[in-house]
Amino acid sequence: DQQVKQNSPSLSVQEGRISILNCDYTNSMFDYFLWYKKYPAEGPTFLISISSIKDKNEDGRFTVFLNKSAKHLSLHIVPSQPGDSAVYFCAATQYNNNDMRFGAGTRLTVKP
Amino acid sequence: DARVTQTPRHKVTEMGQEVTMRCQPILGHNTVFWYRQTMMQGLELLAYFRNRAPLDDSGMPKDRFSAEMPDATLATLKIQPSEPRDSAVYFCASAALGRGPRTDTQYFGPGTRLTVL
Repeated sequence: DQQVKQNSPSLSVQEGRISILNCDYTNSMFDYFLWYKKYPAEGPTFLISISSIKDKNEDGRFTVFLNKSAKHLSLHIVPSQPGDSAVYFCAATQYNNNDMRFGAGTRLTVKP
Repeated sequence: DARVTQTPRHKVTEMGQEVTMRCQPILGHNTVFWYRQTMMQGLELLAYFRNRAPLDDSGMPKDRFSAEMPDATLATLKIQPSEPRDSAVYFCASAALGRGPRTDTQYFGPGTRLTVL
């Protein structure tokens, strides 16, 4: 039961350009969304989040957009840097429910 | 710098053997999660605990997997008997949920890479 889907297993962009990672969800009860970043041989680390009362949240080079009607969110990285190369997981959860659902991840490669 | 620790980092075992993975959550965190990462499924939630009490283990194969929290500083995930299809990376994560302003941020350990031959 994949309630959170990341349909692109991989993405490759040039350094300095924009990276856009996409995520779709099916459960309309989800109201909090997070992006995690994972380097090889390490656990995922929290990157940025957004509540369903917002449609955009920005933190430096990272911006997350939420389209509730489409049940879609995206992570924009501008400008992309080689150090951003990692696997990015989208996650969703429902208030007062600790059951966080993760997508399968998208491997981002930023080429110098 | 508080971190979630997991042991062992790597485990190779033969089919049928018992495997125990350990996790030390961040001190003060009241919720502990176990995940399994596979190529196809991404991060699957296996089980989680709140204040050491199991809240949900529906993601776990009940016949061979068991998760416990003997005390607030230790969570264990056991597989008995192990099978080749259990080969994956197992992550533990902890969080301080339900306290003050909402935060769903989970802090992950480095994972245990399990290979069952």
